Amino acid sequence: AQTVTQSQPEMSVQEAETVTLSCTYDTSESDYYLFWYKQPPSRQMILVIRQEAYKQQNATENRFSVNFQKAAKSFSLKISDSQLGDAAMYFCAYRRVGTSGSRLTFGEGTQLTVNP
Amino acid sequence: GAVVSQHPSRVICKSGTSVKIECRSLDFQATTMFWYRQFPKKSLMLMATSNEGSKATYEQGVEKDKFLINHASLTLSTLTVTSAHPEDSSFYICSADMGVIRLAKETQYFGPGTRLLVL
Repeated sequence: AQTVTQSQPEMSVQEAETVTLSCTYDTSESDYYLFWYKQPPSRQMILVIRQEAYKQQNATENRFSVNFQKAAKSFSLKISDSQLGDAAMYFCAYRRVGTSGSRLTFGEGTQLTVNP
Repeated sequence: GAVVSQHPSRVICKSGTSVKIECRSLDFQATTMFWYRQFPKKSLMLMATSNEGSKATYEQGVEKDKFLINHASLTLSTLTVTSAHPEDSSFYICSADMGVIRLAKETQYFGPGTRLLVL
């Protein structure tokens, strides 16, 4: 079974600084997707970024980028120029490819605080 | 982007009553919808996977007779909490995917959630 581990229950960063959230996963599959979702206080789950395992290039979305290390099964999220609106719970998630309707496996989450 | 709605956003009910929560995909057809439960400051716990026109697949430990799921159309899935008790109070979230492998990049789109309080 696939597992996703986020070893940092809480993180904090100063506004305008950079922070990296860690995520590791375990799978025997070679093709899969990885995601970072953000859950602000409203509790709406928002997709931040996704990575396809067959792509070597790290995904980027504006101030958000990932460091995908497939051999190490590591998928960290870097937030640059942190803003107050980035404060949220961040979940790393894994999903298999090739089976429609396959489940997302979530990590336990990292609560990010952004200090002004 | 794909939008998923949930109704109601919050509900308070008396113990012993049943509550229905609706999950709709507004601008796409969802062959599969998922129902999650989330406790404060915890991760999402998958309750069941709902496929249009077939019976839902429940996760181990989830009572199928208590949490009735119906996926009658490609845009609507409902979760009914039957004979609700205070311990059923929680935040329930649905998600949907387009069921098109690769084209949708395996992304699930989430509803805004429903806060259930059973008195």
